[in-house]
Amino acid sequence: GAVVSQHPSWVICKSGTSVKIECRSLDFQATTMFWYRQFPKQSLMLMATSNEGSKATYEQGVEKDKFLINHASLTLSTLTVTSAHPEDSSFYICSARGVGFNTEAFFGQGTRLTVV
Amino acid sequence: QQPVQSPQAVILREGEDAVINCSSSKALYSVHWYRQKHGEAPVFLMILLKGGEQKGHDKISASFNEKKQQSSLYLTASQLSYSGTYFCGTELVQGAQKLVFGQGTRLTINP
Repeated sequence: GAVVSQHPSWVICKSGTSVKIECRSLDFQATTMFWYRQFPKQSLMLMATSNEGSKATYEQGVEKDKFLINHASLTLSTLTVTSAHPEDSSFYICSARGVGFNTEAFFGQGTRLTVV
Repeated sequence: QQPVQSPQAVILREGEDAVINCSSSKALYSVHWYRQKHGEAPVFLMILLKGGEQKGHDKISASFNEKKQQSSLYLTASQLSYSGTYFCGTELVQGAQKLVFGQGTRLTINP
């Protein structure tokens, strides 16, 4: 089956620094990828839709200047958390749907971000 | 827009059955079900499309009532491996791609 790889699995950074998270589709081309954020014991909250070659579409309440998304190729989307603060600490997870209609979503392994 | 799942948590003994419900305030094109273990990525279980589908896989099955805008996941003769948090993800129109997930149902199976 299709595989989505996310890197890094975990990262610890200092307040004020920026962190980049990569999401790759390994064996299929993903024109669209999705970024979710998950707090402990809570749901997967959709942050944004990453579109290859164009601007990302952000969900209401998500700061686009804080969470920069770049989808430069058909297999790679990146999420950069800029000027990170402790409240940005969370589990970030990306996903991509398989090619065609009515396909399942494949998820990356997730990235646990801790801002100290 | 987020679908509502019920119950929020279930505790069962191995071999017992469970039903998890997912309700939407909007008309749906499809409903996806996923299971997530702690610290891991969600794992796909099944997709149901509008048209009143029912699907089954081993002892896990699901139904989708598009008129009622709700879906149910049925876990029969539960196994220890079924423990985890179950999420339904909803798609409003065909081709929309993005999934909006419910708040999750935590299922604990005890020996």
